[in-house]
Parts: sequence; C-alpha cells; structure tokens
Amino acid sequence: GAGVSQTPSNKVTEKGKYVELRCDPISGHTALYWYRQSLGQGPEFLIYFQGTGAADDSGLPNDRFFAVRPEGSVSTLKIQRTERGDSAVYLCASSLGGALQETQYFGPGTRLLVL
Amino acid sequence: KQEVTQIPAALSVPEGENLVLNCSFTDSAIYNLQWFRQDPGKGLTSLLLIQSSQREQTSGRLNASLDKSSGRSTLYIAASQPGDSATYLCAVMDSSYKLIFGSGTRLLVRP
Repeated sequence: GAGVSQTPSNKVTEKGKYVELRCDPISGHTALYWYRQSLGQGPEFLIYFQGTGAADDSGLPNDRFFAVRPEGSVSTLKIQRTERGDSAVYLCASSLGGALQETQYFGPGTRLLVL
Repeated sequence: KQEVTQIPAALSVPEGENLVLNCSFTDSAIYNLQWFRQDPGKGLTSLLLIQSSQREQTSGRLNASLDKSSGRSTLYIAASQPGDSATYLCAVMDSSYKLIFGSGTRLLVRP
C-alpha cells in the first residue's frame, strides 16, 4: 500500500502569514507524529496523536502551532503568524498502533520557507 | 533529558570499505533504537530497529548493535557502495513514545 504522504512538498510564505501542512498516514495506522527538522539537525518531536486525540503535544514550540486529526486519519499542522525561524522541514510519521516497539514510517516532508 | 550524539558528523570513504557509524545516548532507559537513512531532500527510511532486549539486528550489508547499559549503538556497513551515500540518523524511543534523534552522520562513498 501507499506510504505516508505530505502536502505540499514545498511551501514559501511571508512572515506573519498562516500556513497549513497536511499529512496522510498509512491506512489503518492509529498513531501519527509530527516532527520538525532544521538544516543540519535531526528531527525534533512536535506532537503525537493516538486516534483523534493529541496524546502528547509537549514539543509544540509555542501557541502559534496547532495540529488536528478530526477523524483519526489525516492530520493538519497549522502555524499562525509565521516567523522566519519557523523555516524547516516538517515531517510526519505514522505507526500501526502506537506501541513502543513499533517502527514509525516517515513521509517525505514539507519544506517550509518563511521570507 | 535524553540526548543523542552521533560521531562522526561526516565521513568520506572509498567504495568497498567497511565502516562503522557511532551513536551514544545519555539515558539508558530506552524501549528501542532505530537507525534511519535520509537522502537529500527526502524523508527518512527506517533501516533497522533494535528492541531494548536485543543486542543486534542485521539486514543485508547492515548490522546494528546495541549496548544499552553503556548507552551506545553502532551501525556497521559492509562493502560500502556509492549508493550508500546519505545521512544516517540514530534515534531512541523512551516511554514518551517520541523518537529522539541525533544530528546524523553524512556519509559519502567515493567510486
């Protein structure tokens, strides 16, 4: 089956604008994760969903960042009043049930550039 | 707070060489450790996952070991090929369900 998909693949926006990033997990996967990767660094955790609910949002940097997963499948990461420091690759991952021993499967990422 | 370190940050080797990538972590209370490959401009591909009760995992020319008590893992790549050129990331998972990544090792295998 298809892997994790993310849209758009690239997004250029201006400082202060609002953006939405979309993630389609692998079909049947109940756990979904968002990470952010800055240039030359490893990904950093943002938020973890189990089903429709955010089980852990401790990685969201501030209240400009919000994510939803209303039907337990597709998730949208929303960034308000974007800042240049938000420029990064935003990665989404999913796993079957969210168990600690499961592999997380990553999408190709959305490259966000804030001018 | 868990911290993951990868050494070296970059590595350039001639084709055919066997090589070792190192990963260390500060808190031994992990559930598993994963090695990922990332090609430029692409997402992450999982290579090997080692559960905390395991000592090593093998897949083809790749072998990963885990010494949880000392906080170390190594990824061994045998008979390297130019197609192995990529960034290799190590990540640990603790009870919080999140992966904590190192900064990666950028590998270049020269033909």
